[in-house]
Amino acid sequence: AQSVTQPDIHITVSEGASLELRCNYSYGATPYLFWYVQSPGQGLQLLLKYFSGDTLVQGIKGFEAEFKRSQSSFNLRKPSVHWSDAAEYFCAVGPEGFSGGGADGLTFGKGTHLIIQP
Amino acid sequence: NAGVTQTPKFRVLKTGQSMTLLCAQDMNHEYMYWYRQDPGMGLRLIHYSVGEGTTAKGEVPDGYNVSRLKKQNFLLGLESAAPSQTSVYFCASRGFGSNQPQHFGDGTRLSIL
Repeated sequence: AQSVTQPDIHITVSEGASLELRCNYSYGATPYLFWYVQSPGQGLQLLLKYFSGDTLVQGIKGFEAEFKRSQSSFNLRKPSVHWSDAAEYFCAVGPEGFSGGGADGLTFGKGTHLIIQP
Repeated sequence: NAGVTQTPKFRVLKTGQSMTLLCAQDMNHEYMYWYRQDPGMGLRLIHYSVGEGTTAKGEVPDGYNVSRLKKQNFLLGLESAAPSQTSVYFCASRGFGSNQPQHFGDGTRLSIL
């Protein structure tokens, strides 16, 4: 079974500083990988996704993530954070059948809570 | 453009009571999902549906039932609520195809006393 690990429960970053949130996955084949963001009291919003091809993917709000198969990682980055980026961030992996034939749900990490210092 | 709408947004129940959470999507999506979110646990899949009239169990299905009588609606039922079911419940949907992400509703906060 697939699993996702987000090693950092909380991260504090100064406004304007760079950000990297870590995500490691365990999966037998090429995974489908996602990053979602959740603001307080809100649902999850998709930041970006990786299915195949270029291992560096660009998302919304200036975020990017890099898929590294050798490290089983899909870390999220942003060069300069804004106070509005304070939120909970979730990494998720889709199963092999996610390509369309299957429809199993996503497996989520436990989340990283991002705090922005002024 | 509503997307995924969950009803109600908040609810307090007493142990043993029953209730149904409603999820509606207007994107003509084939697949729909119910997750629960608990502190420090991320989201865990309860049940899902691959189309009208079909349902399947996810990771944590016990104590819940679901129905997908119409393509746009996915109902989550608690027959006899327990305090362990206090959680935030999220519904999601996605279209058919290898590059389709899940779209989430805003959640239902449920407290069982």
